[in-house]
Formats: sequence, C-alpha cells, structure tokens
Amino acid sequence: AQSVAQPEDQVNVAEGNPLTVKCTYSVSGNPYLFWYVQYPNRGLQFLLKYITGDNLVKGSYGFEAEFNKSQTSFHLKKPSALVSDSALYFCAVRDPAYGNNRLAFGKGNQVVVIP
Amino acid sequence: NAGVTQTPKFQVLKTGQSMTLQCAQDMNHEYMSWYRQDPGMGLRLIHYSVGAGITDQGEVPNGYNVSRSTTEDFPLRLLSAAPSQTSVYFCASSYPGNQDGAFFGPGTRLTVL
Repeated sequence: AQSVAQPEDQVNVAEGNPLTVKCTYSVSGNPYLFWYVQYPNRGLQFLLKYITGDNLVKGSYGFEAEFNKSQTSFHLKKPSALVSDSALYFCAVRDPAYGNNRLAFGKGNQVVVIP
Repeated sequence: NAGVTQTPKFQVLKTGQSMTLQCAQDMNHEYMSWYRQDPGMGLRLIHYSVGAGITDQGEVPNGYNVSRSTTEDFPLRLLSAAPSQTSVYFCASSYPGNQDGAFFGPGTRLTVL
C-alpha cells in the first residue's frame, strides 16, 4: 500500500525567509511523487513532480523539492517565501503499478507566511 | 476547455436523504476519481474509474455509489446521507502516461445535518 506522511500541521514563516514543508512516503517500487497547493475555496493545483532523474526538481512559483530515496522523503522548499504562498500544501504519491486515478495524499500542511 | 467541472458547489442535506454529485470533464480523459477532503486527513480516494463502464473502490467507498456510462461524466451518489459524509468532495481526471498527476475540479462542499 502507498502512503504519505506530512508530520506538521502548520508551518509559519516570515516573508522573505526560506520555506520548507516536509513529506515522507511509503510505496513499493520507485515512486511517482507530487506536490499540490490549495488556495481557500479552490481545487488542488499541481506544483511539481518527481518521476525519475535529478533529485532536485523545480516547479511553479519558485518552488522546488528534493527527492531523497534513502530517507523516503520529498520535502518542498522555496528560498524566499511570499505572503501569497499562504495556502494548504499536499504531498501525494503514486505507486507506478497504479494509474494517476489512485493517488495517496498526506494530510496537508497549512503554510502561513507572516508579513 | 472547461477542464473538470463539479456541481453543485454547496449542498446541505438531512440525514437519510439521497443526492448525486456531478462531475464532468471535457479533456477526453480515461481516468476519473472521487476524493473526499477532511481536516487533518488529507484527501482520501472514494471510487475511481479507468474508462467508461469500469469502476472500482478506493480507500473509503462505503455509503457511495458510482457509475461511468460515458467518458465525460462520473457522478457520485450518496444513497442515504449520514453526518459522517459531511466533507468537501473533489473529482479528478487524468490519462495513461500523464506524468503531472491528476486534474482536479473546484470541489463540492457537502453538509449533512
């Protein structure tokens, strides 16, 4: 079975400071990993993915994520947070044996960027 | 393209009532899924489909039915609503080989009294 853990409930960061949102996963085989962002009263928007290749992947809005196979982690990062980055962030994993209709999500992390 | 659309946006039901949440996509995607989102629990898969006429259960299927008579539509039926089904429901679509995960609709916020 595939699963994702996002250990923190809320991440508070001052505007301009680095932002990190943590994610660890469990899946058989090589994982497909995703980060999504949800703004209030909106659906989920795709941010970035790791399928294969470089462990550091870059996505939308200046976000990046680092895949670490030995630690089974896929932490989301942004070098300098903006107030507009305040949102709910979800990490998701897909077992390669399944299609994209069977994603497993973490519980989500509320990010609050303080002006 | 409208993408993935969901109706209604909001719904209040009484315990025991039935209703159907509608989901449609105009991208000709084979894969469609229903998730529910609850605070502190993330999104959990209810039912999914790999094509017209084919559906299967996800993580939390009890109390919900689905059918997939066309590629475009994937309605979710609540047969007898319960307060435990109060949640935000998201429909998603995708296709084989897509490496960007899934495309999500805007959600339906359901309250069962």
